[in-house]
Amino acid sequence: DTAVSQTPKYLVTQMGNDKSIKCEQNLGHDTMYWYKQDSKKFLKIMFSYNNKELIINETVPNRFSPKSPDKAHLNLHINSLELGDSAVYFCASSPGPGLASHFGPGTRLTVL
Amino acid sequence: GIQVEQSPPDLILQEGANSTLRCNFSDSVNNLQWFHQNPWGQLINLFYIPSGTKQNGRLSATTVATERYSLLYISSSQTTDSGVYFCAGEAQGGSEKLVFGKGTKLTVNP
Repeated sequence: DTAVSQTPKYLVTQMGNDKSIKCEQNLGHDTMYWYKQDSKKFLKIMFSYNNKELIINETVPNRFSPKSPDKAHLNLHINSLELGDSAVYFCASSPGPGLASHFGPGTRLTVL
Repeated sequence: GIQVEQSPPDLILQEGANSTLRCNFSDSVNNLQWFHQNPWGQLINLFYIPSGTKQNGRLSATTVATERYSLLYISSSQTTDSGVYFCAGEAQGGSEKLVFGKGTKLTVNP
């Protein structure tokens, strides 16, 4: 049973395109997150949703738009992709804000 | 925001050795956690340890919240312990945002 799943696992695309990454959790958690891990392995939070409501929105370009259709799903849409967007994007969930987080397998995004 | 410092940045061990990884915070934190990122990129939550000591097999962790640090102990290391170990915490005051350290890269050689 996969607790937190993401699709796709790999995404290779051209600059300027729009792409989406999907995330689903079957843990019954209330809180979901998107993190970005750069080439130096540094992990930084981008967004957090609690019960489908946005509670954390870090300094992220507005080309990035999260959407939470229900508590179990948090998708990330990225418009007008840039070279600097290349990274691994992780989805995570926790029972509540800040509590023990469980991560998905990551989506490696490469922008050419 | 809070700063999270992990040491050492890199660690190379022979199989069977013990090690201690440290995490210091610039300010008081809530919800301190330790994660292991394996060589395939998967992030696993090892401990949720806001204070006190917990053990899970060969791994244990201790957080001294009043002194703003946490330690992760690995005993009888195995090659499968290789990877990057991250600690993360949330600044007190309810930011509800986990801030990660830069990690300790552990290599366990056979």
